[in-house]
Amino acid sequence: QSVLTQPPSVSAAPGQKVTISCSGGSSNIAKNYVSWYFQVPGTAPKLLIYDDNKRPSGIPDRFSGSKSGTSATLGITGLQTGDEAAYYCGTWDASLSGGRWVFGGGTKVTVL
Amino acid sequence: QVQLVQSGAELEKPGASVKISCRASGYPFIDYYVHWVRQAPGQGLEWLGIINPADGRSNYAQDFQGRVAMTRDTSTTTVYMELNRLRFEDTATYYCARGQPGVILDWGQGTQVTVSS
Repeated sequence: QSVLTQPPSVSAAPGQKVTISCSGGSSNIAKNYVSWYFQVPGTAPKLLIYDDNKRPSGIPDRFSGSKSGTSATLGITGLQTGDEAAYYCGTWDASLSGGRWVFGGGTKVTVL
Repeated sequence: QVQLVQSGAELEKPGASVKISCRASGYPFIDYYVHWVRQAPGQGLEWLGIINPADGRSNYAQDFQGRVAMTRDTSTTTVYMELNRLRFEDTATYYCARGQPGVILDWGQGTQVTVSS
C-alpha cells in the first residue's frame, strides 16, 4: 500500500493529452516538493519533474507538473509512442521520526 | 557528467547478507545525499533509506530498520548499502540515487539481487 495514490494506468491516442494524479496528505505533498519520474521497463527511473513543476534540462515542455493542497498532477501533451512508460510521483514525508521518502504506486501510460 | 556506477548482480541464500556499492563521480560527493531504492519484479519503487556522505549519518525506512546499513567512503566517493538476514521477498533491483532529502535527481544503473535457496 503506497503512501501516495496514483491511478494504475492511463491511455490516450498519439497527439492527445493525459494527466496523472498523485494524492497524498498533510505530512507529505502538502508540506514538501513533489517530483515525478518515468521508467521504461528494464531501465532505471529518470527524473522528469522536480520541485512540483520544474523540468530538468533535456525534458521537453510537453511535460508539466502542478500541485494543489495534498495532490499533485503530471500532464503530458502531444503524446508520443516513446512516452509509453511507468510514471511515479515522489516526495518527502515527515510523519515518522527522521522522515522518509515516499513514492506513488506508479501509473502505466499506454499510447493507443 | 554525474555518474553513479553500481556493483554487479548478486545471488544469495536466505539468511545471508548482501553489500552493494555505488561509486559516484562528476559532482562534489559530500554535497549531495544518496538514497537507496529497490524494485521487486513487476512492482513499484520502494525507498530503503538515505545517507549523508558529508557526515555518514543515515536514516532508514521503518520496514528495514535493524536489517540495513548504509555507509560511505569519502576517499573513493563510494556509498555502500548492506542488507542482512535476506528473505526471498528481498529479490529486487536495488538502485542508488543522488539527491537531497527533498528530491531524487540521478539514478544508478541498478543492481539485481536474487535470493534463492
